Order: sequence, then structure tokens, then C-alpha cells
Amino acid sequence: ETGVTQTPRHLVMGMTNKKSLKCEQHLGHNAMYWYKQSAKKPLELMFVYSLEERVENNSVPSRFSPECPNSSHLFLHLHTLQPEDSALYLCASSSVAGPGGYTFGSGTRLTVV
Amino acid sequence: QQQVKQSPQSLIVQKGGIPIINCAYENTAFDYFPWYQQFPGKGPALLIAIRPDVSEKKEGRFTISFNKSAKQFSLHIMDSQPGDSATYFCAAPYSTFGGGTRLMVKP
Repeated sequence: ETGVTQTPRHLVMGMTNKKSLKCEQHLGHNAMYWYKQSAKKPLELMFVYSLEERVENNSVPSRFSPECPNSSHLFLHLHTLQPEDSALYLCASSSVAGPGGYTFGSGTRLTVV
Repeated sequence: QQQVKQSPQSLIVQKGGIPIINCAYENTAFDYFPWYQQFPGKGPALLIAIRPDVSEKKEGRFTISFNKSAKQFSLHIMDSQPGDSATYFCAAPYSTFGGGTRLMVKP
């Protein structure tokens, strides 16, 4: 384990379903991120939480809804997704005090059918 | 807007070769340049990082070369091994990542 744990590892959902992705870190970091990684595309930053406040939303569709209840946990709530949303969703954490690298989880492989 | 441009997109070398991956950045305020390594089915992992006050940093077989005036930095992998086959990303502050380089090291 890398210190950032993501569940589930794999998820298949229909376009009308509602599901949530979970991320947990116990590294003492105070910033957390959601990234989308699609085949043959760069990492796409979706959301940034710093000190539990959302500081960036990179024009992500409203069918993705993040939640950060505390500095150790981050969720991504999904509803009415499209097939093009199928991708690897990565959570990362870092220290705001930085600069420093990110610690990534292993990701959730999402397939929308 | 892509603030870090990475090349090449893919690279094939023989075992023992020295693959070189290049990145160019635009923002002169950037002060930290990490490289990440990602294996299939895993998230990226921090490999090595450099600050602009030095021109080179080595960790094991991995070396970063930094050229501040050209706003470029490179990753060199010495004596590359098949186990180094992975995707490599350069990065900069503010969640800025390069497009990735898929490296294959042939036995």
C-alpha cells in the first residue's frame, strides 16, 4: 500500500446508477486531489481540497460531486454518468506546506455501461 | 493550457541502454520538479525530484538534469532494466503534469 487507499479498485455501473468512490490517507497530509486518467490522455485534475476546503474545480461536470469530510478522507460521488466517463480515477494527497510530491492511490477503474 | 510539455510519448530501448525523457516548462515561478513512475494497474509513484538551485540530482540509476535558462529538465535512466518498463510523468507545482512517456526496455 502506498499510504493512500482507494476503494473500490474496480467499479462497473450503469448510466442511471449512483455510486461513490472513497479515498483515505493517514500520512498527515492536508491537501487531497481527484484526477481522471484516460487512455492516451494526460492526467486531468478534477478537484483539489486544501485544509478540507475545495479550492479548485477544473470545470468538471456536475455529475461528479466531491466531498471532503476531514483531512484524511475524500469521496467522489457519481450519478448519471456517461460511457465517456469510463477511466481510472486517482486520488492523491500532499502537504500544503510543500513543495513536495504527491502520494497517489492505486486508483478505481470505472466502467460505465 | 499545458504548462509542462513532455517528450517523447513513447520510447523503446534495449536492456542496458540510457533512455532520456525531456520536459519543458513555461512558468519561471516553478520551484520544484518531480518525476513519477507508473506501472499498469497502479497509481503514479514519486521517483525523484529536483529544485532549480541545482543542475543535476542522482538517486540510484535515475538522474535528473536541469537547465534553468532553457526551462527544461530531463530524466536519464542508467543501465536500464526490463523492470523499468513503465509510464513516466514529469511534473511541476500546482498539480501540473506532463503528458507521460511510455518506456519499454527490451531484454
